[in-house]
Amino acid sequence: SQTIHQWPATLVQPVGSPLSLECTVEGTSNPNLYWYRQAAGRGLQLLFYSVGIGQISSEVPQNLSASRPQDRQFILSSKKLLLSDSGFYLCAGNGAGSRNEQFFGPGTRLTVL
Amino acid sequence: GQQVMQIPQYQHVQEGEDFTTYCNSSTTLSNIQWYKQRPGGHPVFLIQLVKSGEVKKQKRLTFQFGEAKKNSSLHITATQTTDVGTYFCAVNAGGTSYGKLTFGQGTILTVHP
Repeated sequence: SQTIHQWPATLVQPVGSPLSLECTVEGTSNPNLYWYRQAAGRGLQLLFYSVGIGQISSEVPQNLSASRPQDRQFILSSKKLLLSDSGFYLCAGNGAGSRNEQFFGPGTRLTVL
Repeated sequence: GQQVMQIPQYQHVQEGEDFTTYCNSSTTLSNIQWYKQRPGGHPVFLIQLVKSGEVKKQKRLTFQFGEAKKNSSLHITATQTTDVGTYFCAVNAGGTSYGKLTFGQGTILTVHP
């Protein structure tokens, strides 16, 4: 079965510092991968998705970027964090045959101070 | 892309009471998925509904897809404290969406023992 790994679980960063969050996938090949952000008590906002190595689509303009250097690796980055970047970041993937449910990683809770 | 309205935003129940959350769309949906997110956790896929009028059950959970495929509901019979969490519906973004999902805002369920 498909497993999504994310780290770190929590992160506290100062405003203006860089960010790199990593997501890796086990149990499937060539998955579609997604980065979501969730504000406290709110829904999931899709930030980026990728259908393959080097292919990134951005859903909303923002201070973040994403990269997919390997089939099973998806990275979320920022050069300079803003206070508004705080939130719960979730990586998800799908691609197990025709089923299109998404499998989520455990998430990274980011606080920008 | 397709949008869904999910209600209610919050629901507080006494243990043993029933609970229902609803998702509504102005357009016909190809399918709808339901996810559960425990407090502090990540969303976990529960089920996908595809057929008009479809009803599926998982123990105390009953999922329905409307005849017009524009609405769906999740009903929990005799809630337990383990049912606490946020329940999301999600729909495909449509077209060549690469499996992208649009999530409802979620219903936060609190169960009082």
